[in-house]
Amino acid sequence: SQQGEEDPQALSIQEGENATMNCSYKTSINNLQWYRQNSGRGLVHLILIRSNEREKHSGRLRVTLDTSKKSSSLLITASRAADTASYFCATDARGGSYIPTFGRGTSLIVHP
Amino acid sequence: ETGVTQSPTHLIKTRGQQVTLRCSSQSGHNTVSWYQQALGQGPQFIFQYYREEENGRGNFPPRFSGLQFPNYSSELNVNALELDDSALYLCASSYWDRDETQYFGPGTRLLVL
Repeated sequence: SQQGEEDPQALSIQEGENATMNCSYKTSINNLQWYRQNSGRGLVHLILIRSNEREKHSGRLRVTLDTSKKSSSLLITASRAADTASYFCATDARGGSYIPTFGRGTSLIVHP
Repeated sequence: ETGVTQSPTHLIKTRGQQVTLRCSSQSGHNTVSWYQQALGQGPQFIFQYYREEENGRGNFPPRFSGLQFPNYSSELNVNALELDDSALYLCASSYWDRDETQYFGPGTRLLVL
């Protein structure tokens, strides 16, 4: 079963615009990670946010975590055509071995 | 590039056959996880190996089995292939107890006819 669910399923924007993706999950977590996947290839780790953190930045990426709402968001600022990819959140359930559970992903298309 | 490699990149098999997929972990990593990703879906956890022992398993039948070797390379074996086994198979390596980040290989795309 999918622990994290991303929203929207698909997002199409113009280069230079910001892109926001959301992730909701069901059970308490230790941390939440965002990954990116280009066209059916391997996933690339973007950012990890722990359950006691509320916001993290990495370059043009900003991630927020609201544990009371069991949700996270990924913001990509000033998007580029090269940001076109699928984005997944992965949650690590509190109390278990570290086995991340992935959502179905958001497909982002950035038009040049 | 993550340093995790997988072979082969593509594979076509017929129903009922057996397949072995291989993964070479990033140097220094002692944990490997395998995932199945169907088209349009997120990766589904198959199992994880830590220091050559199975460390967790997802909701996959026993015909999915694995091995991790002393050099931390790994194999995923699937017996009695079914059409629904067609998917991208991803391995990811990590260093247990140090860093939760998983480093993924490029995947093996399996097509079962």
